[in-house]
Amino acid sequence: DQQVKQNSPSLSVQEGRISILNCDYTNSMFDYFLWYKKYPAEGPTFLISISSIKDKNEDGRFTVFLNKSAKHLSLHIVPSQPGDSAVYFCAASSSNDYKLSFGAGTTVTVRA
Amino acid sequence: DVKVTQSSRYLVKRTGEKVFLECVQDMDHENMFWYRQDPGLGLRLIYFSYDVKMKEKGDIPEGYSVSREKKERFSLILESASTNQTSMYLCASKKTAQPQHFGDGTRLSIL
Repeated sequence: DQQVKQNSPSLSVQEGRISILNCDYTNSMFDYFLWYKKYPAEGPTFLISISSIKDKNEDGRFTVFLNKSAKHLSLHIVPSQPGDSAVYFCAASSSNDYKLSFGAGTTVTVRA
Repeated sequence: DVKVTQSSRYLVKRTGEKVFLECVQDMDHENMFWYRQDPGLGLRLIYFSYDVKMKEKGDIPEGYSVSREKKERFSLILESASTNQTSMYLCASKKTAQPQHFGDGTRLSIL
């Protein structure tokens, strides 16, 4: 049973607008969350993370929001650029565990 | 920059063959991981290792084994390949308390 869920398989957004990617988790032991970005024929690359002691983390155009009570996190990309077209994976772990649990991914397409 | 190298980008094997996938990292990371990526399922952990000669089962270890004889190298072994093991295989490594770094993957087809 998947403990991390990305319910939107795809997202299409116009260049310059905001992309919002959503992720839900079921395991209350998760306290560390990451987003990875993956281009075709390449491995995933780390994008941004957030610890459960925070509710927001920002890095340039990328912001991750965490709502612990709802077991929900989101990634905002502002403004979206054509190079942001990729598959985005949400991942989660607990601090006493080496393992990451991944969502199924959301394919983002940024239209010119 | 961290480099995780997987020995093959594409591999075609036959059912029943023993298949070896190799992964090497150059950053002295303690932890290494093997995942498979399938459409609609994301990345699923097969095995991981937190030290030389140490291994732990992930979520889907059946039909696979691993070997970590040296810190920089982590091998995934398909003991007797089957068609349902056709997939993209991804290796990752990390230092404790840091994000995982991934290789570019091996697309394995079992005919």
